Amino acid sequence: DAGVIQSPRHEVTEMGQEVTLRCKPISGHNSLFWYRQTMMRGLELLIYFNNNVPIDDSGMPEDRFSAKMPNASFSTLKIQPSEPRDSAVYFCASSLEGNTIYFGEGSWLTVV
Amino acid sequence: AQSVTQPDIHITVSEGASLELRCNYSYGATPYLFWYVQSPGQGLQLLLKYFSGDTLVQGIKGFEAEFKRSQSSFNLRKPSVHWSDAAEYFCAVGVGNNDMRFGAGTRLTVKP
Repeated sequence: DAGVIQSPRHEVTEMGQEVTLRCKPISGHNSLFWYRQTMMRGLELLIYFNNNVPIDDSGMPEDRFSAKMPNASFSTLKIQPSEPRDSAVYFCASSLEGNTIYFGEGSWLTVV
Repeated sequence: AQSVTQPDIHITVSEGASLELRCNYSYGATPYLFWYVQSPGQGLQLLLKYFSGDTLVQGIKGFEAEFKRSQSSFNLRKPSVHWSDAAEYFCAVGVGNNDMRFGAGTRLTVKP
């Protein structure tokens, strides 16, 4: 079975540029999560969707961050404009509601 | 508030030795409990989970964990560590998908 698929795996961008991270959840899963991992703050939940609807975005750092889920098989996390402090690993994860969360391999973002 | 604590930031064991990674949680009811492993440059992989029933849970790669309600603990164990077990290990606790918390992680180093 295909797991959670994220792209790009690695991205290096200049400060001020727009960054778009993409995620394809596991087929049949109805919950999707975006996490950010840094050395300083560990693993943080940014936003959570259920049946394509954003349920909890309290973890989104600020207005520069936005996430969408136009359909059950695709989600994006966008940072505009990007800043060096956004450098982190961004994980997408999915689950069938009430069950285990499965993670993608992450998108390594470096903003210089 | 729901929380999960991994008291050990870094543990070093010799190959072949036994391993125990500690995890304590704080929650009013019995939550769902998980252990994930993250190898360098990779995403988080589920090792095992506890929802209910038998308090000793078997996972992949020879790992097991025991839920102890009286101690609010869910420690991960392996009788004989292999060099390939070197990774970061995360304990997670949740009730439903919208309130899942991860510990800060324990980094495991395996000495030859």
